[in-house]
Amino acid sequence: GENVEQHPSTLSVQEGDSAVIKCTYSDSASNYFPWYKQELGKGPQLIIDIRSNVGEKKDQRIAVTLNKTAKHFSLHITETQPEDSAVYFCAATRNSGNTPLVFGKGTRLSVIA
Amino acid sequence: DGGITQSPKYLFRKEGQNVTLSCEQNLNHDAMYWYRQDPGQGLRLIYYSQIVNDFQKGDIAEGYSVSREKKESFPLTVTSAQKNPTAFYLCASSIDGTGNQPQHFGDGTRLSIL
Repeated sequence: GENVEQHPSTLSVQEGDSAVIKCTYSDSASNYFPWYKQELGKGPQLIIDIRSNVGEKKDQRIAVTLNKTAKHFSLHITETQPEDSAVYFCAATRNSGNTPLVFGKGTRLSVIA
Repeated sequence: DGGITQSPKYLFRKEGQNVTLSCEQNLNHDAMYWYRQDPGQGLRLIYYSQIVNDFQKGDIAEGYSVSREKKESFPLTVTSAQKNPTAFYLCASSIDGTGNQPQHFGDGTRLSIL
């Protein structure tokens, strides 16, 4: 079945620097890849998503890239700010088994002012 | 405002008790989901429902039960058979249950054992 690996588990960057989080997936039939941001005590919030017919998508300081051949996708945050500090989760669709969406284990991002 | 409401925010359970977590959505979404989140772990799916009066087990359904009598409501019961129920429980909904649509999450219920 689908497996999603997410790296790194923790990431610290200086304010203004860029942050990159990477995920790999195993199911070549996966076709939808969302990214979520979770702040302490809250539920995850969708920040960006990409479908398999697109290689890159950008929304202001956030971008996602997808490499279908290598089966990996990455979240890029530029000009990081302290309010970007949170846990970020990637996910991928699974077209077999009993879970529509499989999540990575998360990356705790700390932006140091 | 449209969204997902989970209640209560904190819940305590005694040994041998069943407890029910509430999840309500006014987004007119067909699909709803329950996830369990443990420290340092991703989200693991307990149950999901693609349509009213139908639901499927996720990866960790043992010790849990659900019902979907109304489109907007998907309550989760943590039964006494769940031996390690302490966790953060998240409810979500999406337009459909294909997995190809964004899931919108509530703010969770934290369950603890007394």
